[in-house]
Amino acid sequence: DAKTTQPNSMESNEEEPVHLPCNHSTISGTDYIHWYRQLPSQGPEYVIHGLTSNVNNRMASLAIAEDRKSSTLILHRATLRDAAVYYCILRGLVGATNKLIFGTGTLLAVQP
Amino acid sequence: DGGITQSPKYLFRKEGQNVTLSCEQNLNHDAMYWYRQDPGQGLRLIYYSQIVNDFQKGDIAEGYSVSREKKESFPLTVTSAQKNPTAFYLCASSIEGKANYGYTFGSGTRLTVV
Repeated sequence: DAKTTQPNSMESNEEEPVHLPCNHSTISGTDYIHWYRQLPSQGPEYVIHGLTSNVNNRMASLAIAEDRKSSTLILHRATLRDAAVYYCILRGLVGATNKLIFGTGTLLAVQP
Repeated sequence: DGGITQSPKYLFRKEGQNVTLSCEQNLNHDAMYWYRQDPGQGLRLIYYSQIVNDFQKGDIAEGYSVSREKKESFPLTVTSAQKNPTAFYLCASSIEGKANYGYTFGSGTRLTVV
């Protein structure tokens, strides 16, 4: 079973920021938080990952709670091309925890 | 450019036939994975391989088989024993044992039983 909880769907307006939440209350100290997104009929695409500190890259920002039991993916200015399913996944160091186990993700709709 | 290639993009199979889906990567990744995705669902792990000549069952391995004879290649065979094979199949690769490294996915093969 997926070890993260995400809302089933969210809506945003174009050019506005989007905050996608994820709860992972059973996270272990060595689990990294990964985010992927999947456009229709395509394979998932890596977005960002982090361990404890907030992370920024050209696609998004990742804000991680101090207790690491939740995180938020931030799209600073949503575009129509950001409409996708966003998956929050934990990846551990060894064995079964090193594999990505997908939940159902959050379906993000972006309105023009 | 490095990447992961799945072929074919679309595949039609008659009931009772075995079919093989191709997955090739030139990223020098040790680990490769096969996932299945049904409409409106997340991805479910079928098989994975951490090293050449070795592979393990995932959550839904029944009716599928794999081989890993080369580091670059991880073909998936959907056998006639798979009762509901119509789905979107995704292959991925990554560095084994590194939690701070992402997966690279192929563009998928859509299999339809006719």
